[in-house]
Amino acid sequence: GENVEQHPSTLSVQEGDSAVIKCTYSDSASNYFPWYKQELGKGPQLIIDIRSNVGEKKDQRIAVTLNKTAKHFSLHITETQPEDSAVYFCAVLRQGGTSYGKLTFGQGTILTVHP
Amino acid sequence: ETGVTQSPTHLIKTRGQQVTLRCSSQSGHNTVSWYQQALGQGPQFIFQYYREEENGRGNFPPRFSGLQFPNYSSELNVNALELDDSALYLCASSLARGVSDKLFFGSGTQLSVL
Repeated sequence: GENVEQHPSTLSVQEGDSAVIKCTYSDSASNYFPWYKQELGKGPQLIIDIRSNVGEKKDQRIAVTLNKTAKHFSLHITETQPEDSAVYFCAVLRQGGTSYGKLTFGQGTILTVHP
Repeated sequence: ETGVTQSPTHLIKTRGQQVTLRCSSQSGHNTVSWYQQALGQGPQFIFQYYREEENGRGNFPPRFSGLQFPNYSSELNVNALELDDSALYLCASSLARGVSDKLFFGSGTQLSVL
C-alpha cells in the first residue's frame, strides 16, 4: 500500500519567517496531494491541494510544490504568524479502483510560530 | 467551518461494548468517509460510503461497520470495543465520486474505551 513520510515532526520558527514541510510517497500512480491544518480540538482543515499535472500552486502565503519524478511534495508558508501554529498533515490519494476517498496521511508536523 | 457535523463530541465506553457515531455531510455532498485518528498520528481511512453502499475499505476488522442514509448522513458502528479503539473518529464528506477529491472533515468524536 501507499506509504507517506513527513518531515520534520516538529518545526519552530519566529514570526515572519518561512516554514517548509516535506513529504515523500511511494505509489507513483498517486495523483492528488492535499495539505491539512489541524488545530487543537478540531478536525483537519483543507488549506491547499495540488494535482499530479501541476508542479506548483500558490494561495496567498501558502504554496505547494510537487516533484512527481522524485515522488515528493512540499508545503511552504511565508511570513508566518502565530495563528499558523497547528499540526499540518500532508496526504496522498490515488484515484480509481477501490481507492475513492482513501487519503493516506503523513505523520504530521507540529508548527510553532513564536511572536 | 466545513458544514460537516458529528455527534456526539465525546464518548466514554467500556471494553466489549458497542458504539454508534453519527455524521451529517456538507450540503450537496453525497459521499462520506470515516477516519480514525490515534493520538499523535495522522488519520487512517476506515471506509467510504457512496449512494448508501460501502465504496472502499481500509485495514479495519469487520466489527467496524457503517451505514449511509438517503439524506447522505452516515453512521459508524463499532462492536466489541477494545482499548485500542480509543481515538478521534473523523467524518469527511465530498462531492460525487469522480467529481471532486476534496474532503472536508468534521470536528470528530473523541472515543475513550476503558
